[in-house]
Amino acid sequence: NAGVTQTPKFQVLKTGQSMTLQCAQDMNHEYMSWYRQDPGMGLRLIHYSVGAGITDQGEVPNGYNVSRSTTEDFPLRLLSAAPSQTSVYFCASSYGSGGDQPQHFGDGTRLSIL
Amino acid sequence: GQSLEQPSEVTAVEGAIVQINCTYQTSGFYGLSWYQQHDGGAPTFLSYNALDGLEETGRFSSFLSRSDSYGYLLLQELQMKDSASYFCAEGNDKIIFGKGTRLHILP
Repeated sequence: NAGVTQTPKFQVLKTGQSMTLQCAQDMNHEYMSWYRQDPGMGLRLIHYSVGAGITDQGEVPNGYNVSRSTTEDFPLRLLSAAPSQTSVYFCASSYGSGGDQPQHFGDGTRLSIL
Repeated sequence: GQSLEQPSEVTAVEGAIVQINCTYQTSGFYGLSWYQQHDGGAPTFLSYNALDGLEETGRFSSFLSRSDSYGYLLLQELQMKDSASYFCAEGNDKIIFGKGTRLHILP
């Protein structure tokens, strides 16, 4: 099994550009989430989804959109990139919601915005 | 809202025992999870406590006290490969992480 696959692994954008970070999982997990990680800030939740067709906002949703049209895919869209969005982005999935369900993380996308 | 507090860094000696603390404030508490992250890597799940008490998994144990809004991760027989960042997390649908504790291990 591939687990959680994130693409691209690295990306450089210019301010104002838009892009989509891809996330796919092959474990038939219902729950998926997106986090960003900045030095000294830990992992901050951007958006999450408890199942196909259902999404909700996390701690830092501004500037990001998500959709969940299938169980497997959970793309994250940056609408108009800003330097403050330079970060490492992690996608995660778990069988269900709840802290007792181990979240499986992808390898991350390292995004730089100039 | 939800918030979790952890020390930013902890240093211990190889072969020793170290405790990483986590205090939380939340309007509806479900349980406390712990994750490990090596530099440049992705977080990996270590343990979960829903009830008070100690959960043991090999060299790692995790403790929870709901009355004190407090938990800790205990690492025994420290090895150099345990050098990493450790995060506590809580929530049900909306899972929030602490800022992480970087564990330094001295030979």
